[in-house]
Amino acid sequence: ETVMTQTPLSLSVTPGQPASISCKSSQSLLYSDGKTYLYWYVQKPGQSPQLLMYEVSSRFSGVPDRFSGSGSGTDFTLKISRVEAEDVGIYYCMQGVHLPRTFGQGTKVEIK
Amino acid sequence: EVQLVESGGGLVQPGGSLRLSCSASGFTFRQYDMNWVRQAPGKGLEWVSSISSGGSAKNYADSVKGRFTIARDNAKNALYLQVNGLRAEDTAVYYCVRNVDYWGQGTLVTVSS
Repeated sequence: ETVMTQTPLSLSVTPGQPASISCKSSQSLLYSDGKTYLYWYVQKPGQSPQLLMYEVSSRFSGVPDRFSGSGSGTDFTLKISRVEAEDVGIYYCMQGVHLPRTFGQGTKVEIK
Repeated sequence: EVQLVESGGGLVQPGGSLRLSCSASGFTFRQYDMNWVRQAPGKGLEWVSSISSGGSAKNYADSVKGRFTIARDNAKNALYLQVNGLRAEDTAVYYCVRNVDYWGQGTLVTVSS
């Protein structure tokens, strides 16, 4: 199966400062249609996961533009340009190319 | 507004069975692939199963293959997961997920004697 490795596993950020999470896959996520199926989710405390980014760098409906995604092939990054208190939660990457679908271990983001 | 509402979870003994349901609304259900994803207490996310929009293609995680069966009824806007032969390690919140975007609130399955 495709292993998704996130770093760091936890992050403590001062409000207004940037944050970055890395996600590496054990196989390329470039599909034969030319798209790369890498997704980012956040699970806020007590809530279900919610989609942030799809196909590496497209923001889902309602996601603030302080969130951005980048990368290709096997290396991907989620960036928050200026962290806000509401961004606390666990962030997961997921690959949508290979079966089984697999998630990263999660990165817990806390506010200092 | 997209809504996914799971039900059917509960406490069951090892070896027991449950039928999880997901009621969908706010979108054209028959047009979307659907998934079940689970989360053990305090743990990360694990994809369990998927079904194509028409119901013909089904996939399972190795950990549940042969014990779980995914199904859908497009006339009723409903997704199901029949879970048999339950083990302690199946204890988790089970989420219904529309393709990759919208998630339900989950239903808790606890396997314990």
